[in-house]
Amino acid sequence: AQKITQTQPGMFVQEKEAVTLDCTYDTSDPSYGLFWYKQPSSGEMIFLIYQGSYDQQNATEGRYSLNFQKARKSANLVISASQLGDSAMYFCASGGLNTGFQKLVFGTGTRLLVSP
Amino acid sequence: DAGITQSPRHKVTETGTPVTLRCHQTENHRYMYWYRQDPGHGLRLIHYSYGVKDTDKGEVSDGYSVSRSKTEDFLLTLESATSSQTSVYFCAISESFSSGSNNEQFFGPGTRLTVL
Repeated sequence: AQKITQTQPGMFVQEKEAVTLDCTYDTSDPSYGLFWYKQPSSGEMIFLIYQGSYDQQNATEGRYSLNFQKARKSANLVISASQLGDSAMYFCASGGLNTGFQKLVFGTGTRLLVSP
Repeated sequence: DAGITQSPRHKVTETGTPVTLRCHQTENHRYMYWYRQDPGHGLRLIHYSYGVKDTDKGEVSDGYSVSRSKTEDFLLTLESATSSQTSVYFCAISESFSSGSNNEQFFGPGTRLTVL
């Protein structure tokens, strides 16, 4: 079974600084994918970025990048140049070939607070 | 934004009553999902659908049933609501679920259900 661990319940960062949100995963699937979602205080879940286990390069989407270290089973989200609007809960999730990409497993989330 | 609506957005009901939540999409995506979100648990998959009349169980399916008679609608039913089913329920859709692209899930706005 897949398991996602997010060890940082809360993180603080100043505006314009970079921040890394940790995510480690545990899977026996030979092929898997890792997702990051943002949940602002308004409650909606917003897809940010995806990394496939066989992707050669780390995924990037604007200010978001995924620091994928396969040997360490980590998929940390890096937010560059933080903005006040980045304050939210962030969830890491995974799905695998055998367990099913439709059966995403989510971590418990990290709350990020960006201060002026 | 993906065209996903959920109804109702808020509901308060009593233990033992049946409850049906509706998810409607305008994206013509094949795959639809129901999750619940509880503090300390992140999101957990209840049921998902991979086509009209094709559904399968997720991680926490006990006490829930689903139906999908049309591509655009996915219904979640609590046959006899219990207080442990008080939660925020999210519907999601995806174009595919594979290791490739277009497998990200897009979420609806959520339904807050309180069972007294």
